[in-house]
Parts: sequence; C-alpha cells; structure tokens
Amino acid sequence: GQNIDQPTEMTATEGAIVQINCTYQTSGFNGLFWYQQHAGEAPTFLSYNVLDGLEEKGRFSSFLSRSKGYSYLLLKELQMKDSASYLCAVTRGSTLGRLYFGRGTQLTVWP
Amino acid sequence: KAGVTQTPRYLIKTRGQQVTLSCSPISGHRSVSWYQQTPGQGLQFLFEYFSETQRNKGNFPGRFSGRQFSNSRSEMNVSTLELGDSALYLCASSPPGAGGNTIYFGEGSWLTVV
Repeated sequence: GQNIDQPTEMTATEGAIVQINCTYQTSGFNGLFWYQQHAGEAPTFLSYNVLDGLEEKGRFSSFLSRSKGYSYLLLKELQMKDSASYLCAVTRGSTLGRLYFGRGTQLTVWP
Repeated sequence: KAGVTQTPRYLIKTRGQQVTLSCSPISGHRSVSWYQQTPGQGLQFLFEYFSETQRNKGNFPGRFSGRQFSNSRSEMNVSTLELGDSALYLCASSPPGAGGNTIYFGEGSWLTVV
C-alpha cells in the first residue's frame, strides 16, 4: 500500500502561521495534492505539486521534495475560517485518476 | 463553469435495500472517481472510470459497482445495504491528459442506512 503520514491534530491562533507536514512512501509517485475539508462538506482543492519547490497561492503555500518524500502546506495570517481538516493525497503514474489520501490533519484556529 | 454535481445530496435507506448515486463531472472532464468517507476509515477509493471503462478499482466488496455513460456522467450502486455503508460518498472528476493536475470533488451524497 501507500504510506502517507500527517499529524492528526494541530492548533494555532488567529494571525499566526502554521505548517502542516506530510510524508509519503509511494511507488511510482506522480504528484501531491492538498485539500481543505470543513466539517460536513466536500474536500476543496488547494494545491497540486509535481515538481520540487514551493508553490505560493495567496495565504496558502505548498512545498514538495520528491527525493525526501515530503511535503508541507503553509498557512499564513490564519483566520478562524481556516479551522478545518487538511488532507494530503498523492497520485501514482500508473493510476493517475486515483488519489491516495492521508488521514487528514484537523486544524483548530483559536481567537 | 459548473462544478461536479452529485445527486441526491441526502438519503436514508434500510438494511438490505439498494441505492444508486449519480455524478455529473465538470464539462470536458472524462475521468470520474468515487470515494467513501467515514469517520473511522477516512477517504477510501472505490473506483475510477474513464471513457466508460473502469480504469481502477479499490478494495470494496462486489456489492459496490459503478458505471459511466458516454456523456461522462457516472453512477454508483450499492446493493444489499449494510449499516456500515453509512457514509459520505464523494465523486471527483478530472480532465483528460497526463499529469492529473486538477481533481475536483462534488458536494457528496450523505447515505444513512438504518
């Protein structure tokens, strides 16, 4: 199977910066997705990394190191509405349409 | 551009019944995949269809089946429902081409089996 690990829970305060890490051991790795999921809702696409490096998109940035099997999602200027589960998912070259998910990191942002 | 549309959004069934869920992908997307999400197991892959063919399949019993039509719309069916089938069923679509760099989810169908 695919081993995708991320912390179960994280907490932070409004205005702060938080980094959510994801490590993976995936044969035939193709790319890595980050999704945000609020309770009772569907996952929302945040980012996709296929090459090494940092991708910045507003308050959210995502980093990938293919050689280390490592990614992180960086959230800046945290807001209460960022409280959600953040899902790391990878795709493999042989099964591009299939996402392999981690268990998700529940982020709670306190005022 | 409309997003991924799933129907019905909520439904309640009794054990032993069967259910059919529908998914209309984003226009131009030809790959449709299905996932089951439960609090205990997280997001688990059911199957993926591309151009009316099942391309990938997860580790679910044969009670779970699906199909895709020529217009890329997809349905999944669960027969002989069990209490453990209560879950959020998510459909995702992605465009053709290599890379698979955009996979978007629908709002999901909440199934409760009583």
